[in-house]
This record gives sequence, structure tokens and C-alpha cells, in this order.
Amino acid sequence: NAGVTQTPKFRILKIGQSMTLQCAQDMNHNYMYWYRQDPGMGLKLIYYSVGAGITDKGEVPNGYNVSRSTTEDFPLRLELAAPSQTSVYFCASSPDRANQPQHFGDGTRLSIL
Amino acid sequence: AQSVTQLDSQVPVFEEAPVELRCNYSSSVSVYLFWYVQYPNQGLQLLLKYLSGSTLVESINGFEAEFNKSQTSFHLRKPSVHISDTAEYFCAVSHSRAAGNKLTFGGGTRVLVKP
Repeated sequence: NAGVTQTPKFRILKIGQSMTLQCAQDMNHNYMYWYRQDPGMGLKLIYYSVGAGITDKGEVPNGYNVSRSTTEDFPLRLELAAPSQTSVYFCASSPDRANQPQHFGDGTRLSIL
Repeated sequence: AQSVTQLDSQVPVFEEAPVELRCNYSSSVSVYLFWYVQYPNQGLQLLLKYLSGSTLVESINGFEAEFNKSQTSFHLRKPSVHISDTAEYFCAVSHSRAAGNKLTFGGGTRVLVKP
């Protein structure tokens, strides 16, 4: 089982460029999430989705956009990259039953220079 | 609003020694508690969880955590660590009213096991 797959694993962007971080899961989970991880700060929720066509903001949504056209895919878009968006990004998914654990991808390490 | 505090950012420990990672949370409603582990260059993996029932929960690799409601804590312990336990550990909290099973994470504790 592939689980949660994130691409790319690494990327360097210039300030002002845009890019899409891809996330796909093959577990038929309705719930999906995007986090960013910064040293000593734990994981902060950027956006989440409870099903295809439904997305909502998390704790730190500014500068990001998401879409959820299918159950499997949940891409994260950076429109105008800024140095503050240098981080490691994790996608996760979980079943839509209460208190089920989240399953994480291996992350995308993004540097904005 | 919920918050999670992991009191130690780094914990060095010798192989075969015990370790305790401290986690305190604040919440105005009943919570569900999780410990996740992150090995280098990997995503997070669930280590153990407390949902209800017995306040002591165990993982398959020797870790245990105890839910203490009065002290709002969920400390993680292992009586004897191995080199392979070197990782970062995250405490997280959710609650029954959280839309989409959202989690709030602590800042993480990096465990370095020395030979």
C-alpha cells in the first residue's frame, strides 16, 4: 500500500514564484490535511478537507490555497512564494470516523530564496 | 481553544536508560490524546492514543503513556531505550467536537539515544 504520497520531495523556489505541492492517498479517506513544520514549532494546520469539494482553513492559511476535486487528491498551491514559507510540508489523511489517527506522507522540503 | 505544551525540546539519554517525555494540554472539553513519532526524513507515525477507558496505554514497541485528567497531562515513558528510538516525538490533542478530526500538536521533543 502506498498510503499518502507527496511530490516533490524537495524544491527550491525564488521569491514570487508559484508552485503546487501534490498529495495523493489510496486509502479512500475522506479527511485530508496540510501542515507545515518549522523547528521547535510542531505542526501547524494550513488547510483541511472533509470530502471532495469541501475545504476549510486551518491555523495558518495565509499565502496558500487548496482544492479537493477528488477523494484521492489534495494539492496545496503557493501563489507568490515568500521566504516565510520556507518549511517542511506534510500531507495527511484519516477516515471520517471520530478519533481515527492521521496517516502522514513523507513531506516536501521547500526553500524560498 | 486547545493548546499542547511539550516541556522539553531535547532529551539526551543513554541506551538502556529510561526516558520520560512530558506533555501537558489545555482544553475546555473532553479530549483525545495522541503521541506520534517522526524518524529522520520521514513523516509522522502514530505511536499510541488515548480515547477512553484505561488511563494507561501502551505501544507495541515498549512505550507507554498515562492520561492524567486532573493534571491535564499525557506523559510518555519507556523503561529502557534503544538506539533506534532516536527520533522526534509529538504530543497531539483532539476532541469530539473537532470538525474533521483536527489535531493540535505540541512543539515536539527530540530524543537522542547515546550508546
